[in-house]
Amino acid sequence: SQTIHQWPATLVQPVGSPLSLECTVEGTSNPNLYWYRQAAGRGLQLLFYSVGIGQISSEVPQNLSASRPQDRQFILSSKKLLLSDSGFYLCAWTARDRGHYEQYFGPGTRLTVT
Amino acid sequence: QKEVEQDPGPLSVPEGAIVSLNCTYSNSAFQYFMWYRQYSRKGPELLMYTYSSGNKEDGRFTAQVDKSSKYISLFIRDSQPSDSATYLCAIVGGDKLIFGTGTRLQVFP
Repeated sequence: SQTIHQWPATLVQPVGSPLSLECTVEGTSNPNLYWYRQAAGRGLQLLFYSVGIGQISSEVPQNLSASRPQDRQFILSSKKLLLSDSGFYLCAWTARDRGHYEQYFGPGTRLTVT
Repeated sequence: QKEVEQDPGPLSVPEGAIVSLNCTYSNSAFQYFMWYRQYSRKGPELLMYTYSSGNKEDGRFTAQVDKSSKYISLFIRDSQPSDSATYLCAIVGGDKLIFGTGTRLQVFP
């Protein structure tokens, strides 16, 4: 069966510090991968998605970036965090033949920028 | 107009009640509809998905799509305290999922 991992689970970072969140998927090949942010009362905001190694689509221009160095690894980064970057970050995957349907989410990383 | 709208609640019901959760959407071209359940401080969990119009049943859960009204619903029968969570509808719009903001449900014993 497929499993999706995210770490760390929680993170407290000062404004201006860098960020690296990692997501890995087990039990599948060639998944589509997604990064979302969920802020209180604002629903899920799609940040990036990737259909293959090195292929990243950005939905929201901001100080975040994403990379996919391996088939089942997706990384979210920032060079300098802003207070507004606080939120619950979720990674998700779908099987390649399912398009963007049936997305399965990881446990999330709760980021607090102070 | 937002592409997907969902009443945020909270919705508080007694155990055993029938719960109706709803979303409206704006684009009649949407075909795939999903419901997720999210417990506090956890990632969303896919509950059900439906294609086009009609009903789909899974245990105590029924998903319903009315394309003529652009309205989707999730019914929970015999609700349990363990159903207390936030329920998000999601619609496949082009190359991404579009989520509602979620309805918080509380089922009290």
